[in-house]
Amino acid sequence: EAAVTQSPRNKVTVTGGNVTLSCRQTNSHNYMYWYRQDTGHGLRLIHYSYGAGNLQIGDVPDGYKATRTTQEDFFLLLELASPSQTSLYFCASSDARQDTQYFGPGTRLLVL
Amino acid sequence: GQQVQQSPTSLVLQEGENAELQCNFSTSLNSMQWFYQRPGGSLVSVFYNPSGTKQSGRLTSTTVIKERRSSLHISSSQITDSGTYLCAMEPASSGQKLVFGQGTILKVYL
Repeated sequence: EAAVTQSPRNKVTVTGGNVTLSCRQTNSHNYMYWYRQDTGHGLRLIHYSYGAGNLQIGDVPDGYKATRTTQEDFFLLLELASPSQTSLYFCASSDARQDTQYFGPGTRLLVL
Repeated sequence: GQQVQQSPTSLVLQEGENAELQCNFSTSLNSMQWFYQRPGGSLVSVFYNPSGTKQSGRLTSTTVIKERRSSLHISSSQITDSGTYLCAMEPASSGQKLVFGQGTILKVYL
């Protein structure tokens, strides 16, 4: 069973604040992804990675940085948080191209 | 424009009725997947279905790549089927990226 965990599960910060969202997968998957989910927009890909040290730009990368420190760990960084980044953030992983993705439980972020 | 169109946007069924969810894609694709999401919950893969028909219990997915469409059929719906169903495609030119539809919200009542 694929296991993807995220922390924190909930976060409140103020405009201009610094936020780091963490994701860990314990399945030796190569690919990891960060998405945001918003009403009216569905899930949108922010950044993804196919291995430690690798980073690929997604569809909505502005305002976000990401870093893949190990095969297991993928971080999403908001260095100057804005209210428009209030959202539900999901991390996912997959074994290889053309394979199903396994999602974490999500992090709910509120930027005041 | 919207690459993935899902229909209907929402669906209300009485328990025991069947449901047919549709997904249409505006670009060529390598594969597609169906996911299920409980309100406020995470996503769980229902089908990874590059093409053809797949069945799992009461769920059947049919994907026709050439026609850029996929459907998810739920037979004899149950209250526990309630939630959001999302389809996602891997565009032919994307390189490991998924593009999601906005989902179909399904509500099943007694």
